[in-house]
Amino acid sequence: TQLLEQSPQFLSIQEGENLTVYCNSSSVFSSLQWYRQEPGEGPVLLVTVVTGGEVKKLKRLTFQFGDARKDSSLHITAAQTGDTGLYLCAGREGGTYKYIFGTGTRLKVLA
Amino acid sequence: KAGVTQTPRYLIKTRGQQVTLSCSPISGHRSVSWYQQTPGQGLQFLFEYFSETQRNKGNFPGRFSGRQFSNSRSEMNVSTLELGDSALYLCASSFSGGTVGNTEAFFGQGTRLTVV
Repeated sequence: TQLLEQSPQFLSIQEGENLTVYCNSSSVFSSLQWYRQEPGEGPVLLVTVVTGGEVKKLKRLTFQFGDARKDSSLHITAAQTGDTGLYLCAGREGGTYKYIFGTGTRLKVLA
Repeated sequence: KAGVTQTPRYLIKTRGQQVTLSCSPISGHRSVSWYQQTPGQGLQFLFEYFSETQRNKGNFPGRFSGRQFSNSRSEMNVSTLELGDSALYLCASSFSGGTVGNTEAFFGQGTRLTVV
C-alpha cells in the first residue's frame, strides 16, 4: 500500500511569516493533489500537479512536484489568518481508482 | 455548476442501529468515492463506485456497504453501528474518464455521524 507522509504535523506561525509543508512517499504517483480543509467541512481542492519538477502558483501559494514524482511541497508566502486550516496532499494509488491521503498538516496563523 | 451534495449534514444514532448516507455528485461525474475521517486515523478510503459498479474497496468491515444508482447518486450504509463509527463521512466525485487530468476529486461537506 502506498503511503503519503506529511511534515510538519502541526505548525503555528505569526501572520506575515513564510512556511513550507512537505508531502513524501517512497512510491511514484501519476499526479498529486493538495487540499485545504476547515473544521466540519470537506476538503477543498487547491491544485493538481502532474509533471515531475512542475511548479504551480496560486497567489501566495507555490506547489512543487518532485522530479521523481514521489514528493511534493507547498510553500506559503506572507501567511494570513485565512490560511489557517488542515492541508492534505493526496494521490491516486497506482493501478486503482483509490485516493491515498497524507497524514495532514494543521496550520494555525496568528494575527 | 452545483458541487457535491451530502445529506444529512448531521446524524445521531444509537449503537446497534443502522444508517444510510446520501451523496449527489457533480453533474457529469460518474465516479463517487467515500471516506471516513477521524482525528486519530485521518482520511480513510471506504470504497469507490463508477457506473453503478464498485471498483475499489478499502479495509473496512462488511458492515460498511454502498451502492450507486444510474444517475450516479450514491448511498452508503453502515449496519450495527458501533461507537467507533462516529466520524465525518465524506463523499468525493470525479469525472474519472481514465486519463490523469480527469482524476481530481471534489468533496462534499460531509455527514457528521455521532453514535451514542
